[in-house]
Amino acid sequence: GENVEQHPSTLSVQEGDSAVIKCTYSDSASNYFPWYKQELGKGPQLIIDIRSNVGEKKDQRIAVTLNKTAKHFSLHITETQPEDSAVYFCAARADSGAGSYQLTFGKGTKLSVIP
Amino acid sequence: SAVISQKPSRDICQRGTSLTIQCQVDSQVTMMFWYRQQPGQSLTLIATANQGSEATYESGFVIDKFPISRPNLTFSTLTVSNMSPEDSSIYLCSVDRRGRGKVAPDTQYFGPGTRLTVL
Repeated sequence: GENVEQHPSTLSVQEGDSAVIKCTYSDSASNYFPWYKQELGKGPQLIIDIRSNVGEKKDQRIAVTLNKTAKHFSLHITETQPEDSAVYFCAARADSGAGSYQLTFGKGTKLSVIP
Repeated sequence: SAVISQKPSRDICQRGTSLTIQCQVDSQVTMMFWYRQQPGQSLTLIATANQGSEATYESGFVIDKFPISRPNLTFSTLTVSNMSPEDSSIYLCSVDRRGRGKVAPDTQYFGPGTRLTVL
């Protein structure tokens, strides 16, 4: 089955700096990669996703890049703000063929933005 | 997006008792999922609940321990039975907005979670 590795497990940045979280996946059939943000006491919230036919996607201060050959994808947050502090989860899913159609999650990254 | 509510939001229960968690969605959805998130950990899929059929459980989870109901396209319940302290977790309901009859999954959204503590 799919295995998703996520690094780092914790990340502290100064407000205004950039943050990068990296994930690798094992199943070459995976073709959908969402990122979720989970604030304390809340459920995960989808913040951005990318499909394998696209190499990069941006939404304001958030961007995701995908390298299918290397089987890794990354979340980039620019101009970080204290409200970006949360746990971020990457996930992978195979949406076609013999895929499981189920999300496999990384272990999460706790991002702390220091004012 | 989908608006998902869960009840209760949190509970403290005694060992050996059972708790039923409710999940309500603001629109009809084909696929509903139940996840467990142990303290400080990632999300683990318990089961997939389809309306009109038996839930499909993942390895390590059994129907006797986690019975699920899915009476219609907007509602599901998960029961945690005969609880022990190891069941202390956040239980999350999730939905997939794929169209009826479609196999390919769509964006997946999560509810706010139910924080369960078992003493």
